[in-house]
Amino acid sequence: EIVLTQSPGTLSLSPGERATLSCRASQSVTSSYLAWFQQKPGQAPRLLIYDASTRATAIPDRFSGSGSGTDFTLTISRLEPEDFAVYYCQQYGSSPFTFGPGTKVDIK
Amino acid sequence: EVQLVESGGGLVKPGGSLRLSCAASGFTFSHYSMNWVRQAPGKGLEWVSSISSSSNFIYYADSVKGRFTISRDNAKNSLYLQMDSLRAEDTAVYYCARGQYSGSYYGVSWGQGTLVTVSS
Repeated sequence: EIVLTQSPGTLSLSPGERATLSCRASQSVTSSYLAWFQQKPGQAPRLLIYDASTRATAIPDRFSGSGSGTDFTLTISRLEPEDFAVYYCQQYGSSPFTFGPGTKVDIK
Repeated sequence: EVQLVESGGGLVKPGGSLRLSCAASGFTFSHYSMNWVRQAPGKGLEWVSSISSSSNFIYYADSVKGRFTISRDNAKNSLYLQMDSLRAEDTAVYYCARGQYSGSYYGVSWGQGTLVTVSS
């Protein structure tokens, strides 16, 4: 089983700042099959990025994904008020298709 | 517009069973893989099970293997999760999520979830 570790656990930033979230895998993720999701309280998750770096439909270009192998990054270039949420990574290269524990981005 | 509506959640005693359903609309259901993901109260997301478009490929998390069964009826545009031998740790909101294409196992579109509570 691939274990995903996300860091930091919480990121306290101000609107307009840059956010850098890390997702590390315990072994290489096949074909960079890694996705990022955003979840706000009381809502279902929303897909942001798939295949490590491809933005999903209607996702603003301030969200970008990068990485391969075992190290992946989600970057939010300039935080908007609606971006404060919890972010999860998920690998879907090999079953079980595990999620990371999440990074909470909150307002400083 | 893609719509996924889960149903079948509720309160069940440990050792009991429940069958969750997910009604899909707004897309050609038979073309896409489907997934179940759960979230225990106040916790993170946990992948539960996935099924390919034609049910040829089925995957389970170790935590539910042998107790849960995923299935789909493409004629009825519906996804199911039969949950047996339920435990307290199965308490969670269960989401169904559509994949990107036939054999992709991440959720592009999500339902609003149905709550399953396992308690005596």
